[in-house]
Amino acid sequence: AQSVTQLGSHVSVSEGALVLLRCNYSSSVPPYLFWYVQYPNQGLQLLLKYTSAATLVKGINGFEAEFKKSETSFHLTKPSAHMSDAAEYFCAVRIDRGSTLGRLYFGRGTQLTVWP
Amino acid sequence: EAQVTQNPRYLITVTGKKLTVTCSQNMNHEYMSWYRQDPGLGLRQIYYSMNVEVTDKGDVPEGYKVSRKEKRNFPLILESPSPNQTSLYFCASSRRAYEKLFFGSGTQLSVL
Repeated sequence: AQSVTQLGSHVSVSEGALVLLRCNYSSSVPPYLFWYVQYPNQGLQLLLKYTSAATLVKGINGFEAEFKKSETSFHLTKPSAHMSDAAEYFCAVRIDRGSTLGRLYFGRGTQLTVWP
Repeated sequence: EAQVTQNPRYLITVTGKKLTVTCSQNMNHEYMSWYRQDPGLGLRQIYYSMNVEVTDKGDVPEGYKVSRKEKRNFPLILESPSPNQTSLYFCASSRRAYEKLFFGSGTQLSVL
């Protein structure tokens, strides 16, 4: 079975501090991995995606994520948090296999709070 | 402007009264899908469509119907809504299933 686990439903950091949002997945085949961000009262926007081209993926707004197959992880980081980063972040996985083609699994989300 | 348009933005209804939430995209995307978002549960996929006339179940399809008669439209139908379908619904589309999803603004549904 496929699943996505986001450790920590709430993360708080000070402005300028490192942001680390954790995502682990379970899959028996190489997955496509995504991070999406949701600002209040809006739909989701793609931050970045992993599609096997490179293990370190750079996204928008200074975010990046590293795919670690041995740890089945795809953690999201940003070196220096900004107030505008406050939002909810979702990790998602798509398994490219016949019976699940088109299925997309989201984690439960991590609410990021940034303190001034 | 490239966008996914959902209507209505807010909907309050009563148990058993059929309703349709419309979704339209203007990007000629092949893939479209519906999600519901509930606090603490993240987004769960209801149905998806790989292309016109091709639809399939996601994680939580019970109580919902969809159709994809045209490439641009993917309506979500609740034949007999129940209170446990009170949720925030999102439609999304992408050029292909594994590519970036474009989300609509959401529909907040309350079933009394």
